[in-house]
Amino acid sequence: DIQMTQSPSSLSASLGDRVTITCRASQAIRNDLNWFQQRPGKAPKRLIYDATTLESGVPSRFSGSGSGTEFTLTINSLQPEDFATYYCLQHNAYPRTFGPGTKLEIK
Amino acid sequence: EKQLVESGGGLVQPGGSLRLSCVASGFTFSSWSMSWVRQAPGKGLEWVSYLSSTGTIYYADSVRGRFTISRDNAKNSLYLQMNSLRVDDTATYFCATGGGYGTWGPGTLVSVSS
Repeated sequence: DIQMTQSPSSLSASLGDRVTITCRASQAIRNDLNWFQQRPGKAPKRLIYDATTLESGVPSRFSGSGSGTEFTLTINSLQPEDFATYYCLQHNAYPRTFGPGTKLEIK
Repeated sequence: EKQLVESGGGLVQPGGSLRLSCVASGFTFSSWSMSWVRQAPGKGLEWVSYLSSTGTIYYADSVRGRFTISRDNAKNSLYLQMNSLRVDDTATYFCATGGGYGTWGPGTLVSVSS
C-alpha cells in the first residue's frame, strides 16, 4: 500500500498570510494527487486534482505543485473561510490512501 | 450540478447489519464509478470501497468479507451492505464520485455500540 504523510499536522496563521502544506508518498505516484478541504461537520471538498489543476469555482489563492513523491498545497492571502483541515489523497493505486490531515487554525 | 445524498445510518449493536444508500442526481450516474469513504469521530478520512461503471470492485482490507458495494443504475443509487459490524466501524460514511472524489454527499452516521 502507498503511505501518505503530511506536514505539518497543524498550523497557526493569520489572515493574509501565505501557508504551505506538504504531502509525501511512500512511492512515486506521478501526479495522481488530490487536495481536499474539510470544515467541521461538513463533507470534504476537492480543491485541486492531478496535483496542480484547480477545481472549478475554487479561488485562485489556492495552488498545488509537485509530482512523484512530494507535493505542496499553497494558500496565498488567507481568508477567514480557509481555516479548516486539509487532506491529500493519492489516486494512483488501490487501496486509495489519504494523508492524516493538516489543521489550519487562526493565530 | 452533481448531487449525492446518503441515508441508512443509525445505531446498531456489534455483529449487526446496516444497508447504506446514496442517491445521485444531476449527472449520468450509470457512466460514473463511485466510492464510499468513512471518517471516524475526530479522525481522518479512510477509503472503504469502489465500484466502477463496468463492475470492477475494490475493498479496503478492514471491510473485505463484511461489506458489499453495489449499485442500481435505474434508481441512480449506490449501496453499501455492512454485515458483522464492529465498534471500530463507527463513522460518518460518505459516498463520492469516481476514484478521485470530485463530488461528495453530506454523509450518514453509523454508530456501532452495545
